[in-house]
Amino acid sequence: ETGVTQTPRHLVMGMTNKKSLKCEQHLGHNAMYWYKQSAKKPLELMFVYNFKEQTENNSVPSRFSPECPNSSHLFLHLHTLQPEDSALYLCASSQAGVIGYNEQFFGPGTRLTVL
Amino acid sequence: AQKVTQAQTEISVVEKEDVTLDCVYETRDTTYYLFWYKQPPSGELVFLIRRNSFDEQNEISGRYSWNFQKSTSSFNFTITASQVVDSAVYFCALSEPTTSGTYKYIFGTGTRLKVLA
Repeated sequence: ETGVTQTPRHLVMGMTNKKSLKCEQHLGHNAMYWYKQSAKKPLELMFVYNFKEQTENNSVPSRFSPECPNSSHLFLHLHTLQPEDSALYLCASSQAGVIGYNEQFFGPGTRLTVL
Repeated sequence: AQKVTQAQTEISVVEKEDVTLDCVYETRDTTYYLFWYKQPPSGELVFLIRRNSFDEQNEISGRYSWNFQKSTSSFNFTITASQVVDSAVYFCALSEPTTSGTYKYIFGTGTRLKVLA
């Protein structure tokens, strides 16, 4: 596998379910990101991890819980979601350091539907 | 107010036409970075170009060119002789410093480009 992979690609869940999204990067990067992409809205940055430490949480509701066990893996644990949480969830990675400068490499996303 | 504005929601052109995608940004910082990404139907965003705030030189890469003008806070993207494979959603993004010393990426809403054969 190369680049940034995400599983599953599609997920349908009820509001009472608990599920997890997985992201893996094979690029040797040490910064990872979760984004939410909803129709007709800008990409919303949710969480940032640098060297496995969370460095940014953009006021994301607690029903979204990230986990970064190592620099290559990032998870997003989901529980008691709302229908408005339905969106494409994108994972990205980059070199850390001068974060503002480095381009991000994105996975294909997980299309989440909450019923 | 949006910090990165892509006023064109959707553009349709016929193959071989030139097309310009507009991006206007807003920042108070003197050091920042601007990016363009392409999102094809497969979903993953692909990096196209980065510019730092001190480099206003325009750039050309094949059929792609970028015009960065600080005076108008714009970073426009032109595709010359468009092709069907250029059909995608294009995002402009701004990376600016935060109060905590990190940088924050801010994306525009994207412009969907449809190139018709």
